[in-house]
Amino acid sequence: DAGVIQSPRHEVTEMGQEVTLRCKPISGHDYLFWYRQTMMRGLELLIYFNNNVPIDDSGMPEDRFSAKMPNASFSTLKIQPSEPRDSAVYFCASSLGGQGPNTGELFFGEGSRLTVL
Amino acid sequence: AQTVTQSQPEMSVQEAETVTLSCTYDTSENNYYLFWYKQPPSRQMILVIRQEAYKQQNATENRFSVNFQKAAKSFSLKISDSQLGDTAMYFCAFMTLQGAQKLVFGQGTRLTINP
Repeated sequence: DAGVIQSPRHEVTEMGQEVTLRCKPISGHDYLFWYRQTMMRGLELLIYFNNNVPIDDSGMPEDRFSAKMPNASFSTLKIQPSEPRDSAVYFCASSLGGQGPNTGELFFGEGSRLTVL
Repeated sequence: AQTVTQSQPEMSVQEAETVTLSCTYDTSENNYYLFWYKQPPSRQMILVIRQEAYKQQNATENRFSVNFQKAAKSFSLKISDSQLGDTAMYFCAFMTLQGAQKLVFGQGTRLTINP
């Protein structure tokens, strides 16, 4: 398997523009997570899905952020309108879930570095 | 809510030395998992080692081992015979067994292995 695939790897945009980040999880994984990483706040969980259903979106900073998972092989994180404080690296991760030997093993993508000017 | 604290923002050692990274956490639960993840300069996070709270024996993975002190809520990572490829950010993480599959991460420790 190719692992978790994220696009774009880098995005530079201007304040007010819409940003869409994309993620393809590992086939067969039933959990998908969106994390944001900044120097100040570290790794923050934004939202996660189980079997394409959003389970916990309490980490989504505000209404400007939205995430969807229309099917098991694709998810998006959208920011509209974007602001400079949204600049960060956004990671997507997937996992098998359950309580087996793979418990807690998240497979991360390479991240999308977003810069909002 | 659970919190994870890594008190060492940066560490630096010479190649082949042993280094220990510290992590403490706060939880009222009795059963949970703890992890160390590595983030090399390439950015992609990978799992280094995992510990189930109900297991008294400390987990080991080749040169990596943990010192799990449940009563003290401490979970340190020891890297033996450190190598240049160990240079990375290391994150301690906590996961509850109470339904949620999400990980709570510490702030990370930047480890540099010098030749």
